[in-house]
Amino acid sequence: QQPVQSPQAVILREGEDAVINCSSSKALYSVHWYRQKHGEAPVFLMILLKGGEQKGHDKISASFNEKKQQSSLYLTASQLSYSGTYFCGTEGNAGNMLTFGGGTRLMVKP
Amino acid sequence: GAGVSQSPRYKVAKRGQDVALRCDPISGHVSLFWYQQALGQGPEFLTYFQNEAQLDKSGLPSDRFFAERPEGSVSTLKIQRTQQEDSAVYLCASSLETIWDGEQYFGPGTRLTVT
Repeated sequence: QQPVQSPQAVILREGEDAVINCSSSKALYSVHWYRQKHGEAPVFLMILLKGGEQKGHDKISASFNEKKQQSSLYLTASQLSYSGTYFCGTEGNAGNMLTFGGGTRLMVKP
Repeated sequence: GAGVSQSPRYKVAKRGQDVALRCDPISGHVSLFWYQQALGQGPEFLTYFQNEAQLDKSGLPSDRFFAERPEGSVSTLKIQRTQQEDSAVYLCASSLETIWDGEQYFGPGTRLTVT
């Protein structure tokens, strides 16, 4: 079942912070975050695994609440380059395929 | 080094035609994934290869869709007798790791329009 992302869209001024949420109705093994700019390929941001392990870029911050089956992506001091659509992908059990959410559109204005 | 490449980037097909979409993964990447992305939606899983073995094809929407990776590198997604609902961007991704916990590197996609 597809995870639900919120908000669906957000507009920021440069330097402002944002939080993007991803929620699933089933138990999760991992959550993956990607950013996609219009007409381009999705780009990897972070993987959060059950048990606390994280893989990703140092400048990206995220959390994974296993009990609530939720993950949040934290964007601080936003830059123009942060604009794009953010997708979370969830893995229900280890070795299962990713199911992506509908995306959160982020626009950062000068 | 080169990233994942896909060809063609754009394909227009008349309903009923067959199409073949190609994916060149990053050299040495074991895992290869195909996704379908409708306009304004997230990628939807189609199929997964580990080397030449197709380990999961549960996302293929019908038997008109067929994928192969015969030598464990280049992969082709074939759609037979295309329908309008097949119109979408088809994304290919590859990963160095053999499990789903690895970073996936996506190609730019092939935008298929069925008229």
